[in-house]
Amino acid sequence: QVQLQESGPGLVKPSETLSLTCTISGDSINSNNYYWGWLRQPPGKGLEWIGAIYYTGRTHYNPSLNSRVTISRDTSKNQFSLKLTSVSDSETAVYYCARLGYGGNLNWFAPWGQGTLVTVSS
Amino acid sequence: SYELTQPPSVSVSPGQTASITCSGDKLDDKYAYWYQQKSGQSPVLVIYQDTKRPSGIPERFSGSNSGNTATLTISGTQAMDEADYYCQAWDSSTAVFGGGTKLTVL
Repeated sequence: QVQLQESGPGLVKPSETLSLTCTISGDSINSNNYYWGWLRQPPGKGLEWIGAIYYTGRTHYNPSLNSRVTISRDTSKNQFSLKLTSVSDSETAVYYCARLGYGGNLNWFAPWGQGTLVTVSS
Repeated sequence: SYELTQPPSVSVSPGQTASITCSGDKLDDKYAYWYQQKSGQSPVLVIYQDTKRPSGIPERFSGSNSGNTATLTISGTQAMDEADYYCQAWDSSTAVFGGGTKLTVL
């Protein structure tokens, strides 16, 4: 059974960099059947896709965040990570990692991690 | 940028059929995906590629996609189906989500 677990600081100051890691268990980040993605959800609001990474290192990012986002992978640890620079208060959200099905085209997000709340505040 | 529109809320009586719509320009040219999010929990995929159910999802969940509208249908709705539901599609390698629909089972 695949499980994903987010980890990282729960509090980030405005203008600083948000950094999170997702640890995968029950599957390999080197699978050619999946991308690995990050999403977020502000309190009481809807879902927003941040980006995703393939085992080759290829990435796709939300154009609205493209200039501030970096997703990387550590195959030796079966982890992938998110860095979001110059964050603002409005980016306080629950951040999720999720497995993204891929069969030549990007598909579904499943399963999702439990999510981690990141608060942006001074 | 591409947009998906959902009604903010839908109400249904137990045992009845609930329909949640998702509208987007020429949506049937893309695949629609549906996620269920119960209060305080992570989203769960309930429909993928318009009509397919992942293993473990009850048969009462079904999906369709025609023209500009994708629809999630829950037949014989149960109290446990009360949740927020989000549609999602891909537009040029960008995942787009609808704003979500709160399903209330009265």
